[in-house]
Amino acid sequence: DAGITQSPRHKVTETGTPVTLRCHQTENHRYMYWYRQDPGHGLRLIHYSYGVKDTDKGEVSDGYSVSRSKTEDFLLTLESATSSQTSVYFCAISDYNRNYGYTFGSGTRLTVV
Amino acid sequence: KQEVTQIPAALSVPEGENLVLNCSFTDSAIYNLQWFRQDPGKGLTSLLLIQSSQREQTSGRLNASLDKSSGRSTLYIAASQPGDSATYLCAVKDYGGSQGNLIFGKGTKLSVKP
Repeated sequence: DAGITQSPRHKVTETGTPVTLRCHQTENHRYMYWYRQDPGHGLRLIHYSYGVKDTDKGEVSDGYSVSRSKTEDFLLTLESATSSQTSVYFCAISDYNRNYGYTFGSGTRLTVV
Repeated sequence: KQEVTQIPAALSVPEGENLVLNCSFTDSAIYNLQWFRQDPGKGLTSLLLIQSSQREQTSGRLNASLDKSSGRSTLYIAASQPGDSATYLCAVKDYGGSQGNLIFGKGTKLSVKP
């Protein structure tokens, strides 16, 4: 999607290793979100940010941490990856000037073996 | 706790047919409602955003309506085409800013047959 990119697009990692996913936006939106999408569960919120260095937990935050040192970047870290964290991860952005409509990135497919 | 339900889970129609996708939510105190499209293996594309004060939004062959009092929204697709085949997701936001999470339905998988 224009204005929001995720990296990497695909990643395979081993159980117990740390993994960091990156979300980068060029829209200067205040709010950024990390979701995971799993069959049978739909999209669930992991963490979100409401400004630089301001973050909070979502519905499924256990095992994940986030950081936002700049407006444009929001990082999701799996400190010690587990097989249950195999999923597709989506980043999203929103802001008041867009009536809080969400724009999503293309996703990162993470496989933990 | 807000819950969003989409019925049917899957729908198959012949090309050219007009169709309606349904979304219902349990708490009518919403800030906005958004419809997305997701193609297999791809991200979510926003189709329409309806604010709580609005009754409908239109974009091309798509029309989305919102009835807050009954907790329902519909997505109307006119003259369906094979390219419309995708999963359609409905999501509601309870509050503006960071106070409201976007709650998703499980989606309706649409297949339009040539």
